[in-house]
Amino acid sequence: EPEVTQTPSHQVTQMGQEVILRCVPISNHLYFYWYRQILGQKVEFLVSFYNNEISEKSEIFDDQFSVERPDGSNFTLKIRSTKLEDSAMYFCASSRDGNYGYTFGSGTRLTVV
Amino acid sequence: QQQVKQSPQSLIVQKGGISIINCAYENTAFDYFPWYQQFPGKGPALLIAIRPDVSEKKEGRFTISFNKSAKQFSLHIMDSQPGDSATYFCAAGWGYGQNFVFGPGTRLSVLP
Repeated sequence: EPEVTQTPSHQVTQMGQEVILRCVPISNHLYFYWYRQILGQKVEFLVSFYNNEISEKSEIFDDQFSVERPDGSNFTLKIRSTKLEDSAMYFCASSRDGNYGYTFGSGTRLTVV
Repeated sequence: QQQVKQSPQSLIVQKGGISIINCAYENTAFDYFPWYQQFPGKGPALLIAIRPDVSEKKEGRFTISFNKSAKQFSLHIMDSQPGDSATYFCAAGWGYGQNFVFGPGTRLSVLP
């Protein structure tokens, strides 16, 4: 079964450093998403991406965050200057046509120290 | 208005029993209601989903009941198995491109 692949599985970074989380969505999917889950809490929407541009973003997705699809396969989330409260699991997801529940990756655990 | 409430927070069921998790929403613009199952260290996996034009959907041991007038929906797991032990999230979405609002999750433990 096709999978959404995320790398790395765990990243530790110093506060104030930039991090890039990487995702390879399912190949024929057109809609891409980032969600995050602070430990033990609910899954929160960050941003959706379609046709090479952001289609929607939440209030969490401030100027410190950016997304990019640098080539035909990768979808990245960049956090410019990490804060302690950015520590969470970050999930990438993709959807074929945007009209159904989508497939999540296994996540990247980001720890900011 | 974009909140999705979910209960109970945790649930313990004997093997073979029925697990019932309830969710409620307020935004009538929501038009797609999926349930996700999450095992520790994994991403949420789509379990079953329903649209508001039907009142019930069944897939194997999993059934969603949907009450549009009450703005509530629930997940029933029949013949619960220890392998069903996981965290279950209800969610609600709207519009093409479906950005979902998730409930806070229910941790289900099925005792052997």
